[in-house]
Amino acid sequence: GAVVSQHPSWVICKSGTSVKIECRSLDFQATTMFWYRQFPKQSLMLMATSNEGSKATYEQGVEKDKFLINHASLTLSTLTVTSAHPEDSSFYICSARVARGETQYFGPGTRLLVL
Amino acid sequence: GQQVMQIPQYQHVQEGEDFTTYCNSSTTLSNIQWYKQRPGGHPVFLIQLVKSGEVKKQKRLTFQFGEAKKNSSLHITATQTTDVGTYFCAGPRNTDKLIFGTGTRLQVFP
Repeated sequence: GAVVSQHPSWVICKSGTSVKIECRSLDFQATTMFWYRQFPKQSLMLMATSNEGSKATYEQGVEKDKFLINHASLTLSTLTVTSAHPEDSSFYICSARVARGETQYFGPGTRLLVL
Repeated sequence: GQQVMQIPQYQHVQEGEDFTTYCNSSTTLSNIQWYKQRPGGHPVFLIQLVKSGEVKKQKRLTFQFGEAKKNSSLHITATQTTDVGTYFCAGPRNTDKLIFGTGTRLQVFP
């Protein structure tokens, strides 16, 4: 149980295009999903917290207009990187949890390469 | 802001040697979690410690939560090549979000 999937697993795009990443909780309903970014050989940095049916909360320094998050259902959150640039190339990982204080379950991540 | 640091940053050991990574938080934590990330993979939850001074074991892995609930350690006895990866501790911020430590990358040579 407690499986989180992400799609796509990797994506290569041209600079200036937008990329959408999906995060799904497959066997549980997630009231909250989190989006992280990890650069090579670095730790996971929380980008935003996504609650079902409400606006995402972004961490300091993360541009909400560039990283659009939608959490339309209890099993799906999407992250759209708008007008992607090479510096946005990174490993994007989502996690999901049932309720506050509960364990977060991580997705397998999406590797984004912007050329 | 809240920071979670880990030392060492890297550790190379010969297979069979022991390994320890230390995690230090700038603030008191309600709990500490440990994750393992294999090269090219995503973080996988290992364990959560809640009580002050708590010690938990998982086969060759021993996890400890400090008395002040600001530090923790992970000790691996007799490392194996399958232990290779980056080990992260993580603590909650505002009882909601997880703040990950800087990580310790372990390399095990056969």
